[in-house]
Amino acid sequence: DVKVTQSSRYLVKRTGEKVFLECVQDMDHENMFWYRQDPGLGLRLIYFSYDVKMKEKGDIPEGYSVSREKKERFSLILESASTNQTSMYLCASSWRLAGTPYEQYFGPGTRLTVT
Amino acid sequence: GQQLNQSPQSMFIQEGEDVSMNCTSSSIFNTWLWYKQDPGEGPVLLIALYKAGELTSNGRLTAQFGITRKDSFLNISASIPSDVGIYFCAGQVSQGGSEKLVFGKGTKLTVNP
Repeated sequence: DVKVTQSSRYLVKRTGEKVFLECVQDMDHENMFWYRQDPGLGLRLIYFSYDVKMKEKGDIPEGYSVSREKKERFSLILESASTNQTSMYLCASSWRLAGTPYEQYFGPGTRLTVT
Repeated sequence: GQQLNQSPQSMFIQEGEDVSMNCTSSSIFNTWLWYKQDPGEGPVLLIALYKAGELTSNGRLTAQFGITRKDSFLNISASIPSDVGIYFCAGQVSQGGSEKLVFGKGTKLTVNP
């Protein structure tokens, strides 16, 4: 079974803090993704990565950055947290070429509150 | 960009009833996926569809990839209380050499025992 883990289930941070969200997958997937999920807006793609040290902007990258130093780990960074970044953050991974490249597997999510 | 219209937004049904939900788009997708999300958890993949016209089952769940490649539906037969959750459709697009998913906004299912 694919296992995607996220470092925290719940996180409370103050405005202006630098926030790190970590994601680890154990399936040797090339692709990794960060989404945020808000009521009424569904899942929106922030950033994705298809290889180590590679990153691509998604639909809403403003205010975020990412890091992928190892294949199994993809980090989302909020450089200076703001209250409008309060949300559920979901990490996902998938194959790139082999297997079933379009099937994304999600972690349990991190509910971030910025006060 | 591509958008998926998922309906209905919510459903309230009695245990034992069958359920149907669908996703439509003005764009063509090459792959359709259906996910279920329990409260406070991440989405879990239920069914993946790769060919137009394909009909695939997973237990009491059945999904179809529309022949026009612009729509998909999910049926749940004989619903049970643990079917409660939010169901998302997702369509796969190729963008700049990368594969991405576009998600519907979800159908929230409530099952009354």
